[in-house]
Amino acid sequence: SQELEQSPQSLIVQEGKNLTINCTSSKTLYGLYWYKQKYGEGLIFLMMLQKGGEEKSHEKITAKLDEKKQQSSLHITASQPSHAGIYLCGADLNTGNQFYFGTGTSLTVIP
Amino acid sequence: DSGVTQTPKHLITATGQRVTLRCSPRSGDLSVYWYQQSLDQGLQFLIQYYNGEERAKGNILERFSAQQFPDLHSELNLSSLELGDSALYFCASSVGIGNTIYFGEGSWLTVV
Repeated sequence: SQELEQSPQSLIVQEGKNLTINCTSSKTLYGLYWYKQKYGEGLIFLMMLQKGGEEKSHEKITAKLDEKKQQSSLHITASQPSHAGIYLCGADLNTGNQFYFGTGTSLTVIP
Repeated sequence: DSGVTQTPKHLITATGQRVTLRCSPRSGDLSVYWYQQSLDQGLQFLIQYYNGEERAKGNILERFSAQQFPDLHSELNLSSLELGDSALYFCASSVGIGNTIYFGEGSWLTVV
């Protein structure tokens, strides 16, 4: 079983549309990270959330952390083809200090 | 550029062989992580080192081993390779536990 589940698994949107990706943990979150990956390439760090209720934005990407729900969401406003890729959430679930990754969400943006 | 350097970028080898993947962490980072990414398994945590000491172990096979050297670079050794070991192997580093983890570009391993 996966400690971090992401939904949806894949997403295809028209350019300009907004979208949300969710990451839910089966354990208490001690910080939640979001990364973006293009297939076959490295992971690019987007942002880190450490406190419940925390919200961070970078360009058109906003992430929020709901500690009580053990959940984080990543929202992209007015999507562009450059947003396409695989989005991964990651967290230290404090179970042996292992850093886990979510199942990933593949985003396609159609021009 | 994350500052984490991995070599080689691509490697093709035969079953039963042994390979070594190398990682140089970002300057100042003491913690190194190794991950395996395959199409069917996603991104799997293998092992973590902190300042030369093994810190955490994930789904690392007994045929695989790793170490972090005094200069903080790390090596992942994969032996008795099988077809199923074909994957993208990532190294990542962070200043310490609980700090942002930065990833290298990965080493593509193909076992034929």
